[in-house]
Parts: sequence; C-alpha cells; structure tokens
Amino acid sequence: KAGVTQTPRYLIKTRGQQVTLSCSPISGHRSVSWYQQTPGQGLQFLFEYFSETQRNKGNFPGRFSGRQFSNSRSEMNVSTLELGDSALYLCASAASGGTDTQYFGPGTRLTVL
Amino acid sequence: QKEVEQDPGPLSVPEGAIVSLNCTYSNSAFQYFMWYRQYSRKGPELLMYTYSSGNKEDGRFTAQVDKSSKYISLFIRDSQPSDSATYLCAMTTNSGYSTLTFGKGTMLLVSP
Repeated sequence: KAGVTQTPRYLIKTRGQQVTLSCSPISGHRSVSWYQQTPGQGLQFLFEYFSETQRNKGNFPGRFSGRQFSNSRSEMNVSTLELGDSALYLCASAASGGTDTQYFGPGTRLTVL
Repeated sequence: QKEVEQDPGPLSVPEGAIVSLNCTYSNSAFQYFMWYRQYSRKGPELLMYTYSSGNKEDGRFTAQVDKSSKYISLFIRDSQPSDSATYLCAMTTNSGYSTLTFGKGTMLLVSP
C-alpha cells in the first residue's frame, strides 16, 4: 500500500506571496491532518479534515487554510507569507482520525525569503 | 507550562547501550501515548502505541506509561547506529475527534 505523499517536497517563496501544498493520503484513509514543524516550536497541529469537512483546528492565524476533496486528497494554503512561516509542513493520514494511528508523509520544506 | 515536555538532547550513546527517552505531560485527560521516530529530512514514523498505563514491548523497544506521575518512557535495548534519529512522544485524549499533541523531540546519536 502506498504511503502518504506530499508535493512539492521543497519550496522557496518570498514574503507576501501565497503557497499551496498538496497531500495524498493512504488509500482508504479519510482523515488528513496538517502539522507545522519548526526547531523552536516542534510539531504543531494546524487542522484536520474528515470527509471534506474541517473537524479540528489548531491555534494558527486565518492566513492558514485548507480543504479536502472527495477523494480525500487535501491541500493547505498559506497567504501573505511571513519569514516565520518557514518550516516543514507535514501531512498525516488516518483511517478515521481521533485515536486511529496517524501515518505521516515526508513533508514539504517551505523557505520564505 | 507546555502540555508535553521532552528534553531535546542530543543524547549520545555508544552502540549497544540501553537508551531511555522520556516525556512528561500536564493534561490528565491524555489516554493514548505514542512514540514516533523521525530521521533527518523525513516525516515521523510510528514506533509504539500504548493505551493508558503499563508497558508494551516490541523487539528492542519498550514503552512505559505511568499516568499517576504523568510520565512516559521509551527504552531502546542494544542500540544501533541506525537508531540515530529524533524521537517524538505524542499523546491524545479519549475523545473521538481528538488531535495529537507532540513533545519537541529528543535527538539520539548512537556511535559505532
């Protein structure tokens, strides 16, 4: 069974731009969660989608948004990029979410200049 | 106080040593506890998953949970250079739609 895939793997943007990251979950998984990982803050939860609906949201500004499609693929968007948005963005899929095991993708490394 | 505290390390040990990695937490509602391993430039991979208090063993790895002390541990026996990675603890409540809360991770370096 193929794992979680994320595209692109690396991205360089400048302040003020916007960016869209993509995540394809494991086949059959309906829950997709997004995390931001930085050296200073570690892994922080952004949001979770289940069956195209945002089910949980972390404590991030409205510049961070996401969506999920009917095939469970998910995208996250960051508008008006700031230097502090430079991070590894990880996507995790689970069968139904909650206490189900989450499987992580390799991440997208975003650098904001 | 952060919900989950984890010493960032690095923890350096010789090959063959027993490694002890730990996390403390403050939220008594946490019921499910996990350990993830993350190699450089990779996403975290699940190592151990335990529910409530007790021990769980899987090969060279043993996870312990002490809910009374709000303390969890991961022991690695006969450590190998390939175990060199960052180890993240994670936990969640019993709520159906709960999310994972992670420690910041401990970097482990096993030298040959």
